[in-house]
Amino acid sequence: RKEVEQDPGPFNVPEGATVAFNCTYSNSASQSFFWYRQDCRKEPKLLMSVYSSGNEDGRFTAQLNRASQYISLLIRDSKLSDSATYLCVVKRTGGYQKVTFGIGTKLQVIP
Amino acid sequence: DAGVIQSPRHEVTEMGQEVTLRCKPISGHDYLFWYRQTMMRGLELLIYFNNNVPIDDSGMPEDRFSAKMPNASFSTLKIQPSEPRDSAVYFCASSFGSEKQYFGPGTRLTVT
Repeated sequence: RKEVEQDPGPFNVPEGATVAFNCTYSNSASQSFFWYRQDCRKEPKLLMSVYSSGNEDGRFTAQLNRASQYISLLIRDSKLSDSATYLCVVKRTGGYQKVTFGIGTKLQVIP
Repeated sequence: DAGVIQSPRHEVTEMGQEVTLRCKPISGHDYLFWYRQTMMRGLELLIYFNNNVPIDDSGMPEDRFSAKMPNASFSTLKIQPSEPRDSAVYFCASSFGSEKQYFGPGTRLTVT
């Protein structure tokens, strides 16, 4: 089983829709969680960290469920500019830090 | 403020040749990471350094790959000899204190 699993999509949604992505992780020792965004042929950029209590940044909401070992990203009122690949990132410590990226979920927002 | 700088941006080489990728991290950052990204395997961590010291190279695929960080402002990833299956985008990233990572623009490597 992969350490971090994501549905690669693509998710095709109309402008204005709400879309949610999930990401599951296998190692219960995972400590920190992030969502990165990667535009086509560009580098990944941090979108937001994911906190245990859940957190929101404008139209984006991230949540963590430790019991079920998944994190989620909710995008409300989708914009064309949200079209990108969203990468789930899990970090665990224990001696050395270990950062694992998911394969990413591709989102295409259509007019 | 300059971000992470990588060179070259594109590299096309023939199988068997040596390839050297270069990275200049953001000034003041103490962690440097090398990643490889392919369609099939996504983004894979190859190696990372803390204060110029290699900490975890378990992601380096084989002995053909080597990485160095001679000082805080420069790192190289070398592939010798290169093979077609090494074709990928190689990203360098840096961070301060191992949290938010800032990625460079990547080097797109094609080995024919």
